[in-house]
Amino acid sequence: NAGVTQTPKFQVLKTGQSMTLQCAQDMNHEYMSWYRQDPGMGLRLIHYSVGAGITDQGEVPNGYNVSRSTTEDFPLRLLSAAPSQTSVYFCASSYSRGLGTGYNSPLHFGNGTRLTVT
Amino acid sequence: GENVEQHPSTLSVQEGDSAVIKCTYSDSASNYFPWYKQELGKRPQLIIDIRSNVGEKKDQRIAVTLNKTAKHFSLHITETQPEDSAVYFCAASPGDNFNKFYFGSGTKLNVKP
Repeated sequence: NAGVTQTPKFQVLKTGQSMTLQCAQDMNHEYMSWYRQDPGMGLRLIHYSVGAGITDQGEVPNGYNVSRSTTEDFPLRLLSAAPSQTSVYFCASSYSRGLGTGYNSPLHFGNGTRLTVT
Repeated sequence: GENVEQHPSTLSVQEGDSAVIKCTYSDSASNYFPWYKQELGKRPQLIIDIRSNVGEKKDQRIAVTLNKTAKHFSLHITETQPEDSAVYFCAASPGDNFNKFYFGSGTKLNVKP
């Protein structure tokens, strides 16, 4: 298994440009999520999905869109890049024991995408 | 929402000494507390976790303790080695079935040989 695969590894954008960060997992995990990591701030949740066709906002969703058309893929779209979106982005997946169980499982992270917006 | 605070932000110890990192959380609904290790330029990787029905968990040189009343949990590393040098993150997750995690700001551990 490849686990969680993110592309690209590095990206430089100009202010106002748009792009999509790709994320795919081959572990048949129901849960997928996107986090951004900034110095001194840990990881912050951008968007998450509990299954195909279901997405919701996390702590810092502004400026980002997501969709989940398949279990495997969870792309993150930057609509109009801003310097404040310069960060390292991690996609993560985790398994589910089923809704209503209250059971959360550990995150499996991708290798990250380092994004710079100039 | 949940707020997780982590201390200290940096920790320097001599090889062989113990290291302790502490986290507090605000949401009493949180019931799952993982710890991640992140080496420079790498992804975070799970090293140990604890659920709210347990007070302590140990895995070789690593242990985690949880005090639900005080909303406080800690990572203990004994007999530290240079390869333990990394950034460590605590996290808390509410038992709401959405598998959302709230992370502390990280502790940079430096183990001096």
